[in-house]
Amino acid sequence: GAVVSQHPSWVICKSGTSVKIECRSLDFQATTMFWYRQFPKQSLMLMATSNEGSKATYEQGVEKDKFLINHASLTLSTLTVTSAHPEDSSFYICSAGGLAGGREETQYFGPGTRLLVL
Amino acid sequence: AQRVTQPEKLLSVFKGAPVELKCNYSYSGSPELFWYVQYSRQRLQLLLRHISRESIKGFTADLNKGETSFHLKKPFAQEEDSAMYYCARQAGANSKLTFGKGITLSVRP
Repeated sequence: GAVVSQHPSWVICKSGTSVKIECRSLDFQATTMFWYRQFPKQSLMLMATSNEGSKATYEQGVEKDKFLINHASLTLSTLTVTSAHPEDSSFYICSAGGLAGGREETQYFGPGTRLLVL
Repeated sequence: AQRVTQPEKLLSVFKGAPVELKCNYSYSGSPELFWYVQYSRQRLQLLLRHISRESIKGFTADLNKGETSFHLKKPFAQEEDSAMYYCARQAGANSKLTFGKGITLSVRP
């Protein structure tokens, strides 16, 4: 089946530093990737949609200058949390949309990255 | 705005009991609807989608356009069904998913 990986799986950083999270589709090409944020015991909140080779589309209320998204290839998207603060601590999940194994278009989710900003 | 409502946060049943997880969506054209499941310490994964009209792990969900509902059902719950379940809608192929708040299903022995 289709596999989406995220790296790192968890990260602890100091306030003010920047953190980069990678999302890769391992066995299929992802035309679109999505970045979500999930707080404890809450649902996934879409942050942005990224299409390969073009600018990301951010959801209302998400600061594009704080959460930089780059989708340089059909198998890799990165989310950079710039000048991280404790309130950015969360679980970040990516999903990749595409055809995998000839099956119908669907979204496959990564395992998530837990960010803790001290 | 697209909305997905899961009115309950928790459902606790005994093994073998029927399960119905409720989901309602705001009407807007012809949305695609999904149920996703997240087992403890695992990633979110697709359980079923209304277009497929298939049964996965004994679960089924019927789209009721009149009631704008897409409830998830299973006649006999198993302990391994304990997980977090999310209902989601998508406006069209490869567009963003809008998730409900999710419901925790706990199946007791």
